[in-house]
Parts: sequence; structure tokens; C-alpha cells
Amino acid sequence: AQKITQTQPGMFVQEKEAVTLDCTYDTSDQSYGLFWYKQPSSGEMIFLIYQGSYDEQNATEGRYSLNFQKARKSANLVISASQLGDSAMYFCAMREAAVSGGYNKLIFGAGTRLAVHP
Amino acid sequence: GAVVSQHPSWVICKSGTSVKIECRSLDFQATTMFWYRQFPKQSLMLMATSNEGSKATYEQGVEKDKFLINHASLTLSTLTVTSAHPEDSSFYICSARTPEGLTGFRYGYTFGSGTRLTVV
Repeated sequence: AQKITQTQPGMFVQEKEAVTLDCTYDTSDQSYGLFWYKQPSSGEMIFLIYQGSYDEQNATEGRYSLNFQKARKSANLVISASQLGDSAMYFCAMREAAVSGGYNKLIFGAGTRLAVHP
Repeated sequence: GAVVSQHPSWVICKSGTSVKIECRSLDFQATTMFWYRQFPKQSLMLMATSNEGSKATYEQGVEKDKFLINHASLTLSTLTVTSAHPEDSSFYICSARTPEGLTGFRYGYTFGSGTRLTVV
């Protein structure tokens, strides 16, 4: 079964420092996609970054980058120059393979709560 | 960009009553909508997948008769919690498959803002 693992329940980082949030995944599919979402206390899910399994380069979006190590099945999120507004819950997610006639579902890890300190 | 509007943002209802939550895709056609449930300090758990014009597919352990999903049009999917009880209190959030033209990659998902349900 496909699975996403986030082993860090909580992380602390000083403002302006970089932080890495860990994510490992398990799948037997060759084609898959990995997502990172930010969920502030308001509850909305904010898309941060996407990495396709066939993408050769690590994805980057502004201060966010995804350290994709396919052989290790890891997709860590790196936030550079942390800001106070980065304090939130962060979820790693994987697009599941579609069941015959079905659609690709997203499965989520347990999440990591990030606190940015001034 | 792609927007999914979810209403209401929060609702308090009495035990035994039903509550309807709506998700509308504002600028694209959402052929597939996913409904999630999230308990405090926990992850999102998929409840069901709805496809326009057909019956929803429920995840194992989710009561079909309690959580009624209707996806009657390409822009509207609804989740009705029937005969709600305090244990149904949770955060419910929808997510729509989003066309590549709006996301920049083949598989994209746009989330609604969520509904916080409290049953008293």
C-alpha cells in the first residue's frame, strides 16, 4: 500500500534561518507525484510545491525547494529564510495511482508543525 | 488561478439534524471532487470521491448513509451530514481535480477553505 511518512511532529526554527521538513514515501508505481501543503490555523490548504516522479530537477518555488531523492524515496521540503508567517502545519502528500476507472487520490502524511521564532 | 469556494466556513447544529456543505469550483469544471475529514491535530483523511453525474465512491469505514455526497453539476458538489451527532464534529474540506492549464502540471488539486462542524 502507498504510504507517506512524516517523522517530525514539530519543528522550531529561528527567523531568517533555513529549515528542512522530512517526508518519505512508499510506492511501487513508476509514475507518481509529491506535493507539499501548508495549513495555517485558519484551516485552508495552501499548495506550496510539486514534484513529479519523472522530473529530473528538484522543484523550486520562491523560498520553497523540494529535495527529491528518488532512490531513497524521500521528498524533503526546504524553506529558506524562514519568516514568522511560515508558522503552520505542513503536510506532504502523494498522488496515488488511479484504480481502474477511478481517479488519482491524494494521500497525506501526519504533518509537521513548524514554529518560527523571532 | 483556480478557486474552490466552500460554504459554510463554520456551522453549529443540534444533534439529530442534518447539515449540508457546498463546494463550488468558480473558474473551472470540477469533474472529480474529493471530500476529507480532519480531526484536531491530525491529518486529512479521505472520506469519498465524487464524480459528476455518478455515485460517489466511499473509503472503507465511511458510512454512506450518514455522509451523503451529491455531484450534480460540473461546478458543484455537496456533502450532507445526516442525523449529526457530537462525534461527527470535525473539520471537513473538499478538493477538486484541477486542469493542467490552471496549475501548470498534469495533476493538480484545489482545496476549499474548509468547514468546521460542531454538533451540540
